[in-house]
This record gives sequence, C-alpha cells and structure tokens, in this order.
Amino acid sequence: NAGVTQTPKFRILKIGQSMTLQCTQDMNHNYMYWYRQDPGMGLKLIYYSVGAGITDKGEVPNGYNVSRSTTEDFPLRLELAAPSQTSVYFCASSETGGLHNEQFFGPGTRLTVL
Amino acid sequence: KQEVTQIPAALSVPEGENLVLNCSFTDSAIYNLQWFRQDPGKGLTSLLLIQSSQREQTSGRLNASLDKSSGRSTLYIAASQPGDSATYLCAVRPPPGNTGKLIFGQGTTLQVKP
Repeated sequence: NAGVTQTPKFRILKIGQSMTLQCTQDMNHNYMYWYRQDPGMGLKLIYYSVGAGITDKGEVPNGYNVSRSTTEDFPLRLELAAPSQTSVYFCASSETGGLHNEQFFGPGTRLTVL
Repeated sequence: KQEVTQIPAALSVPEGENLVLNCSFTDSAIYNLQWFRQDPGKGLTSLLLIQSSQREQTSGRLNASLDKSSGRSTLYIAASQPGDSATYLCAVRPPPGNTGKLIFGQGTTLQVKP
C-alpha cells in the first residue's frame, strides 16, 4: 500500500491564481481530512469528509473548496490564492471517525503564494 | 474553545538522557489524545493514542500519560537517541467524537545530540 499520497510536493503561485492539491489514499478509508500547518504552529483542519459525496468545514475553511466523488480521492481547491494561504498542506485519512481510529498522513504539499 | 499548548517549543538534550515533553489542553471534555512525530519535510506518524478512560500508553521507549481532570499529558522518552530528533505534536479529539477531528498543539522540536 502506498498509503496517503499528495501531489504536488511543492508549488509557487501568484496572487489570484487558482490550483488544486491532490490527495489519494489506497486503504479504502471512509474519512479524509485536509490540514494546513503554518511555521511553528500545529495543524489546523480545513475540511473533512466522512464518505464519498459528504464534506464538512473544519476550523479554517475560508478560501478553499473540496469535493469527494470517490472513496480514494479528496482534492482541495484554492480559488484566488492569497499570501495568507502560504503554508504546508497535509491530507490524512482514517478508516472511520471512531475513537480508536488512527489518522494516516500524507507527506504534505508546500505552497507559497507571492 | 479547546486550545492545546506544548511547552517548550524546542528542546536540546545529550544522547542517553530521559526526557519529558508536555501537552496541556483547556477543556477536559476530550475523547482521546494522540502523540505524533513529524520529521522535517515529512508527514505525521502516530506514536501513541490514549483514550479518555486510560491513564497511560507505552510503546517501546515511549510512555504517554493522560490526566484529563488537570488537562495535561506527558510524553516520556527513555534513553534518548539522535534518531529521536524530530518535532513531536499532541492532538486531542473533542466532542463529538465520531467526526475524527483533531485539535493540535504547536509541537516541541527535539534535538538529541550525539
């Protein structure tokens, strides 16, 4: 199993551009999450999904959109990129939202908006 | 609003020393607490998960404790090695517990010197 994979690893955007961060998991997990991590800070939840077709907002959803058309994929869309969105983005998945479930993380996408 | 704090932000110790990392949270209404390890440029790896009804969990040289009433958890690393150098993050699972959402501290960056 590859686990959770994310593409691209790095990206530089200009202000106002848009892009999609890709996330795929091959563990047949129902739950998927997007986090951002700013320098010296912990991770903050952007959006999450409890299954295909179902998404919900986390702590910091403004400026982002998500979709979940399949179990495997959970892309994160940035529209009109702003410098405040410069961060490292992590995707994670878990089998369920149950209390004993671990979250498995991808390697991250480092995004810079100039 | 739940807040998670980790002190110190950075720690440097000589190899072989036993050490304790601290995590505190403001709201004792949590379902569980997890400790993660993050290597530079990498995603997070789960180390230990403690349910709210448990007092501690052990894995190899790692021991995590939880005192829900006082809002504290500690991660004890025995006989530290240079390979333990990484950032350690704690995260709590707030209610409702079935969404899988986590709230993270900002992490403690550990350097173990040979």
